[in-house]
Amino acid sequence: DAGITQSPRHKVTETGTPVTLRCHQTENHRYMYWYRQDPGHGLRLIHYSYGVKDTDKGEVSDGYSVSRSKTEDFLLTLESATSSQTSVYFCATGTTNTEAFFGQGTRLTVV
Amino acid sequence: AQSVAQPEDQVNVAEGNPLTVKCTYSVSGNPYLFWYVQYPNRGLQFLLKYITGDNLVKGSYGFEAEFNKSQTSFHLKKPSALVSDSALYFCAVRDPLNTDKLIFGTGTRLQVFP
Repeated sequence: DAGITQSPRHKVTETGTPVTLRCHQTENHRYMYWYRQDPGHGLRLIHYSYGVKDTDKGEVSDGYSVSRSKTEDFLLTLESATSSQTSVYFCATGTTNTEAFFGQGTRLTVV
Repeated sequence: AQSVAQPEDQVNVAEGNPLTVKCTYSVSGNPYLFWYVQYPNRGLQFLLKYITGDNLVKGSYGFEAEFNKSQTSFHLKKPSALVSDSALYFCAVRDPLNTDKLIFGTGTRLQVFP
């Protein structure tokens, strides 16, 4: 299995609080992605990165920001969590011609 | 903009019968196409991919998919379904010349009945 670790695995937070999810890889992959998974919507891309300090928006980026200060780590921040951001969040990594490799997911509940 | 459509929310098939899970895509260039499977409370597992070359791609667990450029499709198939194939299946597309985004479909739940 690819070395992708998401932390935390589960989190409950209150509306209006900031939350940061971390994705750590040991594969030296260029690309890193953050997705959210919701019933009926499948996987939707939030943000992605194509290199250190190089990021771009995905399909559902409002309310989220990301940072990638080194190859291994890709952080997803919810500046002020809302109930609509309750979801399962997946990180993925990959290279130019390979498939993406997924972490185990983070279940976030905003109450 | 690139996109992926999985027109069936659920596919039901009897064990031993062939199965097909449909996927169509839209990209401006030549696509990279992928299939993934997700079992309950698990992450996504890679099944197969089309990057270039032979249109018929074989993957894990006996699955295969055929890239059809004229129909912009990449349907997932298996000759003989197993109950253990029951899971959620996702198709994904990447347009390597225009964006680095990897976009997924909404998923198709495959239910294989004994």
